[in-house]
Amino acid sequence: TQLLEQSPQFLSIQEGENLTVYCNSSSVFSSLQWYRQEPGEGPVLLVTVVTGGEVKKLKRLTFQFGDARKDSSLHITAAQPGDTGLYLCAGGGAGGTSYGKLTFGQGTILTVHP
Amino acid sequence: EAQVTQNPRYLITVTGKKLTVTCSQNMNHEYMSWYRQDPGLGLRQIYYSMNVEVTDKGDVPEGYKVSRKEKRNFPLILESPSPNQTSLYFCASSLTPFSYEQYFGPGTRLTVT
Repeated sequence: TQLLEQSPQFLSIQEGENLTVYCNSSSVFSSLQWYRQEPGEGPVLLVTVVTGGEVKKLKRLTFQFGDARKDSSLHITAAQPGDTGLYLCAGGGAGGTSYGKLTFGQGTILTVHP
Repeated sequence: EAQVTQNPRYLITVTGKKLTVTCSQNMNHEYMSWYRQDPGLGLRQIYYSMNVEVTDKGDVPEGYKVSRKEKRNFPLILESPSPNQTSLYFCASSLTPFSYEQYFGPGTRLTVT
């Protein structure tokens, strides 16, 4: 089983602060996704990173894929209350027998206080 | 509207009573998958399907069955539910098995007493 360790599990910050969420594994993934989930709803895809070292920006969110494709980070600049939610990383199978399998991290519950 | 639908959204049942949770997508996606979500454990993959008539086990397949007779439907079957299958279940689909960019349904909250 390919494991994804996500940290921190909980993050409570004030509006305007910056934060980083980490997603680490000992396995190599062909791609890595970040999702955001709100209570009572399914996860919604934020971004996919594919190439080692890749950096993608989505407004105040910056996503990075590690050079070795084993880890990723999500950085939020000047967090807002609307960023509150559960953030999940997910890794796509490295091929072979793992192809088609998707592994999720445990998730980070982010709360941004006004 | 492009979407993944699941039914029912909420279900309370008793141990041993067979049940089926339906999942349907209208995006002509090849890949479909089922997950369960439990506090502190994140989402764990139960079964996935690369295409019609092709299914394979995820990380936690015990106690579950699936079938993929049509491209749009991927039902999850619990032949003899047990209390440890109480969970929040999500169905998801993606255009191809290679993209991993999944669209999720709204979830089914199952309670087995």
